[in-house]
Amino acid sequence: ILNVEQSPQSLHVQEGDSTNFTCSFPSSNFYALHWYRWETAKSPEALFVMTLNGDEKKKGRISATLNTKEGYSYLYIKGSQPEDSATYLCAFFVDSNYQLIWGAGTKLIIKP
Amino acid sequence: GAGVSQSPSNKVTEKGKDVELRCDPISGHTALYWYRQSLGQGLEFLIYFQGNSAPDKSGLPSDRFSAERTGGSVSTLTIQRTQQEDSAVYLCASSKGLAFSYEQYFGPGTRLTVT
Repeated sequence: ILNVEQSPQSLHVQEGDSTNFTCSFPSSNFYALHWYRWETAKSPEALFVMTLNGDEKKKGRISATLNTKEGYSYLYIKGSQPEDSATYLCAFFVDSNYQLIWGAGTKLIIKP
Repeated sequence: GAGVSQSPSNKVTEKGKDVELRCDPISGHTALYWYRQSLGQGLEFLIYFQGNSAPDKSGLPSDRFSAERTGGSVSTLTIQRTQQEDSAVYLCASSKGLAFSYEQYFGPGTRLTVT
């Protein structure tokens, strides 16, 4: 059974501080790892699609790294702002049935 | 441009009734996905379409669930004889294709409550 795990489950961070959290996924048959942000009362929104070992992607204050050999990805947020409060989801692409296997998410709360 | 739309946004139904949920994907997106999120749970994959075809229906929770897509565009998810455990937010997403590199664009969801 393929499993994608995210930690921590929730995180409270002071505004202005930087933070990071982890996504663990199977290290075999890797094709892609997706990161999404899901704000309350909105739809999930894609942040990154990562495909290459050692890949690092950046969007504003948010960046992500990928290690496919050991099966983990980190998401970093620099200088957290209240608008960063959301649940961050990662998803592992399964080639056999074109399905994304989703982690349970890390709920990030930024304290002003 | 227009994003993914879903209707209705909220649906309250009595146990045993049938419901139909609609998804209108982004124009030109050939792949369409249905997910649900039950209270306190993560995203659960239900089914995907490539064009009008759904090759794998094993993710549907029971035979009361069915889905179709017509004209390579609009999709409907039908739940027959609804049960209380069907209460969830049902999300639809579309992407340019099935390739692993394509991100998915999500609709706002339909919140289904079965009383």
